[in-house]
Amino acid sequence: GAVVSQHPSWVICKSGTSVKIECRSLDFQATTMFWYRQFPKQSLMLMATSNEGSKATYEQGVEKDKFLINHASLTLSTLTVTSAHPEDSSFYICSARDVASGRGADTQYFGPGTRLTVL
Amino acid sequence: QKEVEQDPGPLSVPEGAIVSLNCTYSNSAFQYFMWYRQYSRKGPELLMYTYSSGNKEDGRFTAQVDKSSKYISLFIRDSQPSDSATYLCAMTKNQGGKLIFGQGTELSVKP
Repeated sequence: GAVVSQHPSWVICKSGTSVKIECRSLDFQATTMFWYRQFPKQSLMLMATSNEGSKATYEQGVEKDKFLINHASLTLSTLTVTSAHPEDSSFYICSARDVASGRGADTQYFGPGTRLTVL
Repeated sequence: QKEVEQDPGPLSVPEGAIVSLNCTYSNSAFQYFMWYRQYSRKGPELLMYTYSSGNKEDGRFTAQVDKSSKYISLFIRDSQPSDSATYLCAMTKNQGGKLIFGQGTELSVKP
């Protein structure tokens, strides 16, 4: 089955630093990847949609200058949290759409998530 | 009002019980409905996918969609301790559209 990896799985950083999270589709090509944020015991909130070779589309209320997204290849998207602050601490999850899967409308495969803690 | 409402639980059942998980939604434009399972500190895993109204069965899992009532359900038969996880419903209006998730229901199956 389709596998999506994320790196790192967890990261602790100091306030003011930047953190880069990688999302890779391991056995399929993903023209579209998604970045979500999840707070404890809450649902996934879509932050942005990342399309290979073009600018990401951000959801309302998400600061594009703070959460930089790059989707330079069909298997890799990165999310950089710039000048991180404690309120950015969260669980960040990416997903990738496998358009060739044939399973249906929106076969999104999720990565295992990255837990970010900003001190 | 949230577009998708899901009782967060927690829901605790004995092993072997039939589990019923539900979501309601407000937007009649939703056509594609999914259920994801998420273990603690892991990403969601797609369990069931359904288009429009009807039932779909896969092993111990059955998904039901009632578009007239804007209500979807996931049934788990012969529940096992390994089913203990958070179950998220999700839906979208069209192929490739934005997924809207419910809050998730935390399920615990006791041996």
